[in-house]
Amino acid sequence: ILNVEQSPQSLHVQEGDSTNFTCSFPSSNFYALHWYRWETAKSPEALFVMTLNGDEKKKGRISATLNTKEGYSYLYIKGSQPEDSATYLCAYHSGGGADGLTFGKGTHLIIQP
Amino acid sequence: GAVVSQHPSRVICKSGTSVKIECRSLDFQATTMFWYRQFPKQSLMLMATSNEGSKATYEQGVEKDKFLINHASLTLSTLTVTSAHPEDSSFYICSAHKNRFSGGTEAFFGQGTRLTVV
Repeated sequence: ILNVEQSPQSLHVQEGDSTNFTCSFPSSNFYALHWYRWETAKSPEALFVMTLNGDEKKKGRISATLNTKEGYSYLYIKGSQPEDSATYLCAYHSGGGADGLTFGKGTHLIIQP
Repeated sequence: GAVVSQHPSRVICKSGTSVKIECRSLDFQATTMFWYRQFPKQSLMLMATSNEGSKATYEQGVEKDKFLINHASLTLSTLTVTSAHPEDSSFYICSAHKNRFSGGTEAFFGQGTRLTVV
């Protein structure tokens, strides 16, 4: 059974502060690690797909790193804004990419004005 | 990005009836689509892989006769919950993968369907 763990489960951050959260995943049979941003009543929105150990990706104020050898990824948000409030999901993709994703439970982020 | 459309977004049905959920890839062809389910405070769990023109493959513990999957075209997969019971009440969401030029694949999700069986 594949286990993807995300921490913390929820997080309250003051507007303007920076924050980060963690995803841990199996280090074997790794194909890719996905990060999604999920707002209520909307489809999960892809943030990053990372495939190589040491990958660092950035999109605006959001960035992510990947360590496939030890099985973890960090997501960073710089200068949090209220519109960053959402659930952030990470998902582990194994088996050469033909399989479905194994998701963590998500980190629920609330930005307080 | 690509677009995946899922309908209905919300459905309430009586116990014993069947409910069909549609998942369409609007601007790309998907030979494979995935169906997930999420119970409260749990992660999205893969239920089955829908394969165009062939049988779906189901994850352990998911009853194939209860959750019928049909993937008749490259843009449409349907999930039918047959003889629904209150314990089938859940959030169901589909996804389709698209290859990325930079390597790997990216999953695009429908909006999800909240099923309530009364």
